[in-house]
Amino acid sequence: EDKVVQSPLSLVVHEGDTVTLNCSYEVTNFRSLLWYKQEKKAPTFLFMLTSSGIEKKSGRLSSILDKKELFSILNITATQTGDSAIYLCAARIQGAQKLVFGQGTRLTINP
Amino acid sequence: KAGVTQTPRYLIKTRGQQVTLSCSPISGHRSVSWYQQTPGQGLQFLFEYFSETQRNKGNFPGRFSGRQFSNSRSEMNVSTLELGDSALYLCASSSTSTTEAFFGQGTRLTVV
Repeated sequence: EDKVVQSPLSLVVHEGDTVTLNCSYEVTNFRSLLWYKQEKKAPTFLFMLTSSGIEKKSGRLSSILDKKELFSILNITATQTGDSAIYLCAARIQGAQKLVFGQGTRLTINP
Repeated sequence: KAGVTQTPRYLIKTRGQQVTLSCSPISGHRSVSWYQQTPGQGLQFLFEYFSETQRNKGNFPGRFSGRQFSNSRSEMNVSTLELGDSALYLCASSSTSTTEAFFGQGTRLTVV
């Protein structure tokens, strides 16, 4: 059965800290790994990773995929209160738009 | 460019009724997929449509069905509603199966 596991499930840090969120996957016919940020309703797209070892970066956020060890990490540096959200990772199946989601990491940034 | 639009935003239905939810994808996107989000189960895949054809289906009972029209708009139908169907229903659109998927705001369905 396809499975995506995120850790930690919950994280509370102070503004300015750096955080690392983890995502491991066991998926048949893996195609790519996607990260989303969910604050209220719609998950908003952050990154899509297809190749191993190539870091994707957007401002204070960055992410990398390791296809050998079957995991990805999402880093957020200099965190701000606006980064408080649930971060979801999802594995996409080859040849389909089906996404298998992890449980999410609830990140809380305290001022 | 308009995002993914889901209607209605909120729905309250009674057990046994049926409901239809609508999703308009981003212009030019041909793939629409549906997900159910609950506190206990997280985000679970329902089904995917591409060019009016269902390509994949998740592990949900036959009460859950969908379709896609020639303009790529999609509808999802749930018949004989149960209390456990209360959830946030999200749809996502993408141009192909290899590109990013963008989500709509969702429809919050409450079954009483």
